[in-house]
Amino acid sequence: GAGVSQSPSNKVTEKGKDVELRCDPISGHTALYWYRQSLGQGLEFLIYFQGNSAPDKSGLPSDRFSAERTGGSVSTLTIQRTQQEDSAVYLCASSLALNEQFFGPGTRLTVL
Amino acid sequence: QKEVEQDPGPLSVPEGAIVSLNCTYSNSAFQYFMWYRQYSRKGPELLMYTYSSGNKEDGRFTAQVDKSSKYISLFIRDSQPSDSATYLCAMWGGSGTYKYIFGTGTRLKVLA
Repeated sequence: GAGVSQSPSNKVTEKGKDVELRCDPISGHTALYWYRQSLGQGLEFLIYFQGNSAPDKSGLPSDRFSAERTGGSVSTLTIQRTQQEDSAVYLCASSLALNEQFFGPGTRLTVL
Repeated sequence: QKEVEQDPGPLSVPEGAIVSLNCTYSNSAFQYFMWYRQYSRKGPELLMYTYSSGNKEDGRFTAQVDKSSKYISLFIRDSQPSDSATYLCAMWGGSGTYKYIFGTGTRLKVLA
């Protein structure tokens, strides 16, 4: 079946603009994660959704970052008033069992 | 000190060599240990997953966990140019937590 998909694959924006990144998880996967990957920094946890439970937003770096998951499926990560330090690859993963996360290809965000 | 330490490399080896990739960690609560492979401009994909201490073999890949030393390894036998990628270790604490902690990744290049 289809894997995790993310859109857009690349996004170039100007400092101060808002961006929306989309994640379509694997159908039936109840858990969804967002990560940020910067050069030499590994994967930084941002937010976790599990079913209808309140999301764990503890990894969001500032209040400019927010995410939602509609109908337990598609998720959108929004970054308001983007800054140059927001430039990174944003990865989404979904899982059914906690011992395996399936990753999407990522969105490469460049803030000029 | 980071919870998980991984040498970023790059590591260059000739085709056919045995490759050893390693991570150390500080949190003794980690129980599940994973190795992900990430090709350039792709999302990470799960290679191996091990619970607690011991070895696990899958084809040319062997994962080892030594909880007493807080040290995990991934061995690749008969390395191929197609193994050239970044390898990330990841760990989580099992029941009661869902957060993976990732290493920064080791970039491997297998030379033909």
